[in-house]
Amino acid sequence: DAGVTQSPTHLIKTRGQQVTLRCSPISGHKSVSWYQQVLGQGPQFIFQYYEKEERGRGNFPDRFSARQFPNYSSELNVNALLLGDSALYLCASSPQTGRARSPLHFGNGTRLTVT
Amino acid sequence: AQSVTQPDIHITVSEGASLELRCNYSYGATPYLFWYVQSPGQGLQLLLKYFSGDTLVQGIKGFEAEFKRSQSSFNLRKPSVHWSDAAEYFCAVGATGANNLFFGTGTRLTVIP
Repeated sequence: DAGVTQSPTHLIKTRGQQVTLRCSPISGHKSVSWYQQVLGQGPQFIFQYYEKEERGRGNFPDRFSARQFPNYSSELNVNALLLGDSALYLCASSPQTGRARSPLHFGNGTRLTVT
Repeated sequence: AQSVTQPDIHITVSEGASLELRCNYSYGATPYLFWYVQSPGQGLQLLLKYFSGDTLVQGIKGFEAEFKRSQSSFNLRKPSVHWSDAAEYFCAVGATGANNLFFGTGTRLTVIP
């Protein structure tokens, strides 16, 4: 079975632009989470969706938004990009409700560079 | 609120030597604890997890970790390190009923011949 797939793998944007990142979970997984990993840091939670509903939101500004589609794939949108948004964006899926005890299966991430 | 501290930013060990990576957490109740490994350019792979029960948990690739409530620690160990173990290691904690994990800042492991 395919793992979590993310696209694109790399992206370069200019300050002020908008970006959309995509994630396809493992088949059968209904929960998708998004994490931001700044260079030299651990991943930081952005959003979690289960069955197309937002179940959790981290401490990120409203410029960050996400949604989950009927096929459980997900998109992360970031508006008005700042230099500080440069990071590796990781998507993770889990087979259960997405509660903390459900081990996360991570994709390889999208490397976003804002210039 | 939960938090995780990984005191060692970078560790270098010789191939075949033993390894211990430290992790301390802050959480009022029994947490869910995880160790993940990240190779360059890759996502995170789960090594092992602790929810309850036996405080010594076995994971993949020969890793184990021990939960010590009195020390709020969940240290990762491996008796004999292989060159392929060179990577970044992250400890993470989750709270009961929560939807997310809190990760430490990671420990980069270098393995020398």
